[in-house]
Amino acid sequence: QQQVKQSPQSLIVQKGGISIINCAYENTAFDYFPWYQQFPGKGPALLIAIRPDVSEKKEGRFTISFNKSAKQFSLHIMDSQPGDSATYFCAATTSGTYKYIFGTGTRLKVLA
Amino acid sequence: KAGVTQTPRYLIKTRGQQVTLSCSPISGHRSVSWYQQTPGQGLQFLFEYFSETQRNKGNFPGRFSGRQFSNSRSEMNVSTLELGDSALYLCASSLYGGNSYEQYFGPGTRLTVT
Repeated sequence: QQQVKQSPQSLIVQKGGISIINCAYENTAFDYFPWYQQFPGKGPALLIAIRPDVSEKKEGRFTISFNKSAKQFSLHIMDSQPGDSATYFCAATTSGTYKYIFGTGTRLKVLA
Repeated sequence: KAGVTQTPRYLIKTRGQQVTLSCSPISGHRSVSWYQQTPGQGLQFLFEYFSETQRNKGNFPGRFSGRQFSNSRSEMNVSTLELGDSALYLCASSLYGGNSYEQYFGPGTRLTVT
């Protein structure tokens, strides 16, 4: 019940296309859902996050869509660029636990 | 504002030895969390400290321990190293104040156990 399932494991997108990464969870106590971007040799960097009282959040080319009833959330990268090529992780936490559960990661490659 | 710093960046140790990793959080952040990242298991939560108190811990053996100092800097220690402890160890800091649950990660310490 503590798991966050992430798909796909890897993704190849053409430059200018839309990259979509999905995550699903079981624990309805989760109330904060961030996405992280990690480049080789670097630590994960916070991209965007959402709370379950909002169905969508957009920051620049990055959008989180949240479906509370389906217990799913997804990251959309619009106008994908070669510089977006990285590994993306979804995560979830419950207020007051101070513990994040991470998805297994999606390796994105954007072709020039 | 300076980010999260971790030292050392790379370490090579031998089985049976112990190791201490250090993390300095973003200025003003009082919460420090530690994660182990491996290709097979992904990012796994080790423990979290706030004001020198451990508030939560993950499912790791007692060989993994940590502490936090009054200036919020944190250390983690792994005793009796095993080959399977080879991983990238990440530290993350957070304000955990009000509605802020944002965690910011350092670059990690790459530990290789031979």
